[in-house]
Amino acid sequence: AQKVTQAQTEISVVEKEDVTLDCVYETRDTTYYLFWYKQPPSGELVFLIRRNSFDEQNEISGRYSWNFQKSTSSFNFTITASQVVDSAVYFCALSRSLFYNQGGKLIFGQGTELSVKP
Amino acid sequence: GAVVSQHPSWVICKSGTSVKIECRSLDFQATTMFWYRQFPKQSLMLMATSNEGSKATYEQGVEKDKFLINHASLTLSTLTVTSAHPEDSSFYICSARDERGQETQYFGPGTRLLVL
Repeated sequence: AQKVTQAQTEISVVEKEDVTLDCVYETRDTTYYLFWYKQPPSGELVFLIRRNSFDEQNEISGRYSWNFQKSTSSFNFTITASQVVDSAVYFCALSRSLFYNQGGKLIFGQGTELSVKP
Repeated sequence: GAVVSQHPSWVICKSGTSVKIECRSLDFQATTMFWYRQFPKQSLMLMATSNEGSKATYEQGVEKDKFLINHASLTLSTLTVTSAHPEDSSFYICSARDERGQETQYFGPGTRLLVL
């Protein structure tokens, strides 16, 4: 069975602090995809990153960085020098390859609500 | 690229009426779209997978006669909440899978439904 766990329900930081959002996943598939989405108060889910299971390279995009480690089944997200505009709920998600039954469906974690205070 | 629109963004209706929500992929074609429901402070719950030209696939526990899904074209899927009741009040979000080699789901802005 597929499962995504975001153990941190809420995180509160002060602006300019670095913050890491944890994501641990479970799957027996060899091919799968991992995602992070941001949901600001407006409600729309904004796509941040997609990673396939064969690409363990870490990625950096501006103040955002992602650490994918298959050995620990984790796909953590770090925001450097956080800003008030980063306040949102962040979801980690997993999907199976389309080759599998139920492929393409997103399995979401419970989300982490990040509050960045000025 | 990869923009998904959803209409309406807000709807308030009386109990017993039906409400239609549209989901459009604006700059790509999507043979597969998904409909989710989200309650406050909770994660997204997949309701159904909408497939262009064929019947939708519903998740366990979702009433197909209650939530009618039509995916008539490669850019449009609709969700109709039939005979809506207050317990159907929720945030409904659609997504469209971009199949241009990335297999990523892009989400619409969501529709807040309030049934009085």
